[in-house]
Amino acid sequence: AQSVTQLDSQVPVFEEAPVELRCNYSSSVSVYLFWYVQYPNQGLQLLLKYLSGSTLVKGINGFEAEFNKSQTSFHLRKPSVHISDTAEYFCAVSDGGSNYQLIWGAGTKLIIKP
Amino acid sequence: ETGVTQSPTHLIKTRGQQVTLRCSSQSGHNTVSWYQQALGQGPQFIFQYYREEENGRGNFPPRFSGLQFPNYSSELNVNALELDDSALYLCASTRRRGGTDTQYFGPGTRLTVL
Repeated sequence: AQSVTQLDSQVPVFEEAPVELRCNYSSSVSVYLFWYVQYPNQGLQLLLKYLSGSTLVKGINGFEAEFNKSQTSFHLRKPSVHISDTAEYFCAVSDGGSNYQLIWGAGTKLIIKP
Repeated sequence: ETGVTQSPTHLIKTRGQQVTLRCSSQSGHNTVSWYQQALGQGPQFIFQYYREEENGRGNFPPRFSGLQFPNYSSELNVNALELDDSALYLCASTRRRGGTDTQYFGPGTRLTVL
């Protein structure tokens, strides 16, 4: 069975500093990869997704992620964070099967320090 | 704004009771998935409906059941509530066209079981 590991439960970072949120998955087959953001008391919003093609994926709000098949990783990055980026970030994987089931990591809380 | 709404926003029930949660998807979205998100964890896939039929199920007992209606609304029913059912319940809809289409999430219903 597939699994998703988000290595950090919390990541504190100063405003305007760069950030990387780590995600590793376990799968030997082709996968689709996603990053979602959840702001306090809100639902999940898609940041970006990797289906195929270029391994560097750009998303909304200045975020990007790089798919590394050999390391089975899909780390999320932003060169300069803002206070409004305070949220929980979830990495998810799908095998693209007929049921579109997403398997989720436990989430990483991004804490922006002023 | 994802165009997916859920009701109610919050709900308090007692152990043993039954509950129905509702989701209204975007017009044309023929696939809806339901997820359970316990506090501090990532979402867990409950099941998915495609064209009004169950099309995949996660590791949840039969007391979790659902319905999808022709008007793009759906329901999640939980019988014999247990304390561990306390969680945020999310629905996500998509219009399946092949490949992995983006799922759009509602804001969730927070269920508390006492």
